[in-house]
Amino acid sequence: SAVISQKPSRDICQRGTSLTIQCQVDSQVTMMFWYRQQPGQSLTLIATANQGSEATYESGFVIDKFPISRPNLTFSTLTVSNMSPEDSSIYLCSVLGQGSYGYTFGSGTRLTVV
Amino acid sequence: GQQLNQSPQSMFIQEGEDVSMNCTSSSIFNTWLWYKQDPGEGPVLLIALYKAGELTSNGRLTAQFGITRKDSFLNISASIPSDVGIYFCAGRELNTGFQKLVFGTGTRLLVSP
Repeated sequence: SAVISQKPSRDICQRGTSLTIQCQVDSQVTMMFWYRQQPGQSLTLIATANQGSEATYESGFVIDKFPISRPNLTFSTLTVSNMSPEDSSIYLCSVLGQGSYGYTFGSGTRLTVV
Repeated sequence: GQQLNQSPQSMFIQEGEDVSMNCTSSSIFNTWLWYKQDPGEGPVLLIALYKAGELTSNGRLTAQFGITRKDSFLNISASIPSDVGIYFCAGRELNTGFQKLVFGTGTRLLVSP
């Protein structure tokens, strides 16, 4: 399965600022996704990152708040903009490999907004 | 967003006991996946199921894809302390045209030595 490097692993940020999270995969993948996991909760899909075009956002998530880039088949970024304490969560990158049915997850970015 | 109903919410068992957890959906799924998440880590895939009725094992873990395509269960036999963690089911809906997953609410497992 694909190996995912997600950076940073954790950060503490001031409210009103933005943080960009990077997801690097060791092989070309078909699909890339971004999830949010609030404290003690399950995973909620934020958006599907599309190569060379705008991401597809789920209900309740908007591009202005969570801009996403995917310039190629192995890399994507998620930005959490104008942060508030309610954005404190774990953000996870996930990929679906080519010719694979298994979805692999990165180790996540633990974000605390103060 | 949509979430799958997963039960039980938590379990506290003795080492050596068997464990069973299940997941149900109001929608028909064409794929069921079971993940385990340790603290500070992302979910790790345990078992993947692709056909209704399919029964698949991975060591002490066994999972089944329900005949109705709306449910799945995971069994862990002879539990050990390292089984501690949060277990999530995840499914991919049939005929949505998308590859995205929906996750269950999670089962927190604690194992007493």
